[in-house]
Amino acid sequence: DVVLTQSPLSLPVTLGQPASISCKSSQSLVYSDGNTYLNWFQQRPGHSPRRLIYKVSNRDSGVPDRFSGSGSGTDFTLKISRVEAEDVGVYYCMQGTHWYTFGQGTKLEIK
Amino acid sequence: EVQLVESGGGLVEPGGSLRISCAASGFNFINAWMSWVRQAPGKGLEWVGRIKSKTDGETTDYPAFVKGRFTVSRDDSRNTLYLQINSLKTEDTAVYYCSSLNWGSFEYWGQGTLVTVSS
Repeated sequence: DVVLTQSPLSLPVTLGQPASISCKSSQSLVYSDGNTYLNWFQQRPGHSPRRLIYKVSNRDSGVPDRFSGSGSGTDFTLKISRVEAEDVGVYYCMQGTHWYTFGQGTKLEIK
Repeated sequence: EVQLVESGGGLVEPGGSLRISCAASGFNFINAWMSWVRQAPGKGLEWVGRIKSKTDGETTDYPAFVKGRFTVSRDDSRNTLYLQINSLKTEDTAVYYCSSLNWGSFEYWGQGTLVTVSS
């Protein structure tokens, strides 16, 4: 099974400051079709998960452009350029190259 | 507007069975690959099964830990997805979400239905 390891697991951030979450995979996430199926999800308290980013760097419709994804192979990053209060929640990376697995989650809170 | 509405969760005794449903609307359900993902209380997300569209064979896939206890099915005439869970264990206690698959991941999510396994 592919293991995704996120860091940090807890992320206190001051409003308006940037935030970054790392996701490292136990094996390459490049699929045979050339795509890399690494995704990012946000789960606000008491809500269902919401996809933010698919295929490494593609933002879903309605996702603010302060969210960006990058990376390749086994190392990926989600960045928030300026954290807002509504960004509080847990962020998960997830891979769809070798079936589907999620990282442990990173809890973002306002400092 | 895309909507996925799960139902059928509840309290079940260990060893029992349960079928939960997901009613879909607002998108082309017939051509969609669909999936179930669960979340134990206070824990992370875990994929538990997938079904392809009828056009793609309506085949199902599961992670190894499911071990034949879970069955995903669909009724395209009703735009509804199902998850049958047999031989329920206390560790199956979770919120179960249905989700549509797109670009190798879970695009739309329902609100979830809570399954509690306890005597």
